Amino acid sequence: EAQVTQNPRYLITVTGKKLTVTCSQNMNHEYMSWYRQDPGLGLRQIYYSMNVEVTDKGDVPEGYKVSRKEKRNFPLILESPSPNQTSLYFCASSPRRARETQYFGPGTRLLVL
Amino acid sequence: AQSVTQLDSQVPVFEEAPVELRCNYSSSVSVYLFWYVQYPNQGLQLLLKYLSGSTLVESINGFEAEFNKSQTSFHLRKPSVHISDTAEYFCAVSEGYKLSFGAGTTVTVRA
Repeated sequence: EAQVTQNPRYLITVTGKKLTVTCSQNMNHEYMSWYRQDPGLGLRQIYYSMNVEVTDKGDVPEGYKVSRKEKRNFPLILESPSPNQTSLYFCASSPRRARETQYFGPGTRLLVL
Repeated sequence: AQSVTQLDSQVPVFEEAPVELRCNYSSSVSVYLFWYVQYPNQGLQLLLKYLSGSTLVESINGFEAEFNKSQTSFHLRKPSVHISDTAEYFCAVSEGYKLSFGAGTTVTVRA
């Protein structure tokens, strides 16, 4: 089954404790991206990747890192999480570009205390 | 830089009534426009998209949206809603490799 998976689905952590949210797709997609969803703000793009080893900032990259060492994986790294990063995070992928249909993962709900 | 404004945050509607969700965008170049839907406790899925050609686009479940370049709008409509259409709807615009979403419109369909 074609899908985007994220792990973990739920995470409670404390301020400053490094964490990684994994994202994996099995559709051989080149384009992958991360979003955070907050009430009243919709989805905001954090980072995107056009292909292996090619990443760029979205609209809200501060406090986040990403890497794309393999085509199928695009982890989101929070080196020192803060309470304002409490949010619902979505990973998405598409064959090559942002203007193609995006396939979203199920989401990761993060609470930073 | 592009931005997306959804003019209504909440839209309550009765079953079988029509609904319209308004979306305006700003961009300095040609854009590609989308509507995504998020059902409760799920990820987003594509409802319909405008890339080029006919300004009226339709989805398989009865929704349609019209691209209006002069008014920079991409409003979503459905002539008769069902309970199952209860969801949050997001308008989005793509420019280059970036994708920007509006704040979302929550549609609640009541019997």
